[in-house]
Amino acid sequence: EAGVAQSPRYKIIEKRQSVAFWCNPISGHATLYWYQQILGQGPKLLIQFQNNGVVDDSQLPKDRFSAERLKGVDSTLKIQPAKLEDSAVYLCASSFQGTQYFGPGTRLLVL
Amino acid sequence: EDKVVQSPLSLVVHEGDTVTLNCSYEVTNFRSLLWYKQEKKAPTFLFMLTSSGIEKKSGRLSSILDKKELFSILNITATQTGDSAVYLCAVPLAGGTSYGKLTFGQGTILTVHP
Repeated sequence: EAGVAQSPRYKIIEKRQSVAFWCNPISGHATLYWYQQILGQGPKLLIQFQNNGVVDDSQLPKDRFSAERLKGVDSTLKIQPAKLEDSAVYLCASSFQGTQYFGPGTRLLVL
Repeated sequence: EDKVVQSPLSLVVHEGDTVTLNCSYEVTNFRSLLWYKQEKKAPTFLFMLTSSGIEKKSGRLSSILDKKELFSILNITATQTGDSAVYLCAVPLAGGTSYGKLTFGQGTILTVHP
């Protein structure tokens, strides 16, 4: 079974630039999550989708972060404009029966 | 607010040693607790625990949950250098018909020396 796919794997940008990340969940998984993991910390949820609807985006900095899952499968996460403190690994996960499976992550460095 | 606390934060052992990692939690509407192993990439799923006192085992790894005392332990016996990783404990926020966000502990960094 194919796992959660993410791209790009690495991204370096300058502050105030924009960046977008892509995620393809495991086939058949209706729930999709985006997490931000800052070095030395556990992942923190940014947004959760159930099919193409948002279930929880309470910790998403909506002034600069946006996410969509238009057809209920793939998802994109965008940061515009990026700040230095956005440097982190962005993890996408999808879940089945309560277990979340993570993609390889996108490591973002904002200079 | 849900809270998950892991200890120790870091641990250095030699190959062959046995280690015990701890995870305590304070959450509303507890349903399950999950353990993940994170190397230089995404967390990989190890165990999901829902019932007290029932040990889950996979090779040299085992885990158990105590819902009365609100903690879980992850044991690794006969450690190998490949066990070096960050071990994350997480509890999902249950709600509705699907599981909500995972609240993670800060992780335990395990280093196994040859």
